[in-house]
Amino acid sequence: NAGVMQNPRHLVRRRGQEARLRCSPMKGHSHVYWYRQLPEEGLKFMVYLQKENIIDESGMPKERFSAEFPKEGPSILRIQQVVRGDSAAYFCASSPMLGEQYFGPGTRLTVT
Amino acid sequence: QKEVEQDPGPLSVPEGAIVSLNCTYSNSAFQYFMWYRQYSRKGPELLMYTYSSGNKEDGRFTAQVDKSSKYISLFIRDSQPSDSATYLCAMSEGGSYIPTFGRGTSLIVHP
Repeated sequence: NAGVMQNPRHLVRRRGQEARLRCSPMKGHSHVYWYRQLPEEGLKFMVYLQKENIIDESGMPKERFSAEFPKEGPSILRIQQVVRGDSAAYFCASSPMLGEQYFGPGTRLTVT
Repeated sequence: QKEVEQDPGPLSVPEGAIVSLNCTYSNSAFQYFMWYRQYSRKGPELLMYTYSSGNKEDGRFTAQVDKSSKYISLFIRDSQPSDSATYLCAMSEGGSYIPTFGRGTSLIVHP
């Protein structure tokens, strides 16, 4: 039973480019969450999605960031016009219902 | 004051020691409590998941919740060098899907 999959594992983008991060939840999980982790800081919630619905995006910056979880395919976190401050580890988690969340290995985004 | 406080460490112990990791919190509505282990440059791994007060044991790990003191602990018995990692506490309100995480405590178990 494969765990949560994220790709790419490492992503380098120049300032102003777009970053697309993908997450495939565990089999049978219909809830997906995105978090950002900066050095010396805890995990910060960004957005919670179910299939074709954004349930809560209260932790997501209002501009440049968007997320989707289509009926088919992985969840995608998109960052447009990246800036150096977007450099961080982005983690996706999934759960079958409210409660226990299982994390993927993360995507480390570096903006040069 | 942050909602969840966790000493970042590092906490350095010899192999075989009993390790105690702790978090305090201020939100009395928290009902679900979790501990995650995160190895360097990896994703967090769920270790323990408890509801309300009391103890829960799983192998060498024991999670303890004291809601009256707003204090949770994770004990690791017979610690091993492979336990060296960052341990994150997390907690959420009943019916909430968004846990609040502590900063994490870095644990080093030396042979």
